[in-house]
Amino acid sequence: DQQVKQNSPSLSVQEGRISILNCDYTNSMFDYFLWYKKYPAEGPTFLISISSIKDKNEDGRFTVFLNKSAKHLSLHIVPSQPGDSAVYFCAAGGGSEKLVFGKGTKLTVNP
Amino acid sequence: DTEVTQTPKHLVMGMTNKKSLKCEQHMGHRAMYWYKQKAKKPPELMFVYSYEKLSINESVPSRFSPECPNSSLLNLHLHALQPEDSALYLCASRTWAPNTEAFFGQGTRLTVV
Repeated sequence: DQQVKQNSPSLSVQEGRISILNCDYTNSMFDYFLWYKKYPAEGPTFLISISSIKDKNEDGRFTVFLNKSAKHLSLHIVPSQPGDSAVYFCAAGGGSEKLVFGKGTKLTVNP
Repeated sequence: DTEVTQTPKHLVMGMTNKKSLKCEQHMGHRAMYWYKQKAKKPPELMFVYSYEKLSINESVPSRFSPECPNSSLLNLHLHALQPEDSALYLCASRTWAPNTEAFFGQGTRLTVV
């Protein structure tokens, strides 16, 4: 049973435009959500996180929005840059040491 | 220093070999993780150590044996692996404070032949 779902395997956007990556979760115990960026054959790199007591967290070009009632979060990247091209993983935690990852969305930013 | 260091970067081993993967962090993190990642799949949790004690084993086969010699080091001992165990093995660490991010190493690319 997938507790963290990223339903779009891929996304392609033009440089300078907004990228929106989506993530849904099913476990109500999750209270902390993270986004990681990953290049092939490398470890995931932490991007941004949000606690369930907030609905928005912003860090430079990256903003994460959390809708608890819908059990949905999204990562906005604006403006998108070619260097943002990577696989983005949504992860969730809460109640234990576990971090559960979604399947990832491959973002391609075209120059 | 926010670095998690994994060695080796690449490892090729036969099905009868015994090898070990190593992970080191000096951030004072008290939770350390092993994840396995196959191509085009998310990282899958294998083990979690909390304060040097094994707290989570996600029903991993016994041919994988974790060890936490001290708070900075995490090993994964491998024995009698199968070709399907070939994957990227990721180590991560995290402070014990709630709602914090995990830092990942670069991973060890393991190929079992």
